[in-house]
Amino acid sequence: QSVLTQPPSASGTPGQRVTISCSGSSSNIGSNYVYWYQQLPGTAPKLLIYRNNQRPSGVPDRFSGSKSGTSASLAISGLRSEDEADYYCAAWDDSLSGPLFGGGTKLTVL
Amino acid sequence: QVQLQESGPGLVKPSETLSLTCTVSGGSISSYYWSWIRQPPGKGLEWIGYIYYSGSTNYNPSLKSRVTISVDTSKNQFSLKLSSVTAADTAVYYCARMGSITIFGVVNPGGWFDPWGQGTLVTVSS
Repeated sequence: QSVLTQPPSASGTPGQRVTISCSGSSSNIGSNYVYWYQQLPGTAPKLLIYRNNQRPSGVPDRFSGSKSGTSASLAISGLRSEDEADYYCAAWDDSLSGPLFGGGTKLTVL
Repeated sequence: QVQLQESGPGLVKPSETLSLTCTVSGGSISSYYWSWIRQPPGKGLEWIGYIYYSGSTNYNPSLKSRVTISVDTSKNQFSLKLSSVTAADTAVYYCARMGSITIFGVVNPGGWFDPWGQGTLVTVSS
């Protein structure tokens, strides 16, 4: 089971703002950067946010990340139908000496 | 831009060894960390292990006894072997480049993966 805890599902209507949470511990989120991935149906995950709140080139500024203590959040504003996907948080875990993923959140655009 | 492509058998018998190769194109395998990640059907992502281009490795403790990751810099490839497979090892297997962080001149693996290969489904069944 994942040590990073995400809600299994989230939903919103077009144009709305949605947030997805990710809860960890002092050995991962509490002491390391958080990353977010977007996995569209039938495709490989894609890096969406790195180092807590940075967007790779090409990622719209509708996507934003934040971190506080041992928790992090991904916010999507101006929700669009093409945002319907699975979203995963991840962080380096000092106990594991490796990266850890959250269980994933399925976002539905109603 | 760097692209990754997984290759290998899509069907493996129980108790046998799963073998996959990731070919890196559009860039050199040198100076980076490379990783394998898997995703069982309908489930989340699990990090399997990583390798530095020099050959140093680290594996997920949950799989460590069965995993070997190797690199062939001359072919710009790295490979995964997972032994004694069971149905629980059925998954889409992804290869990916890991980000890295340099601390006091030492290059350490970071916690992110970019880019990813398209993934390959491996089914364990007799």
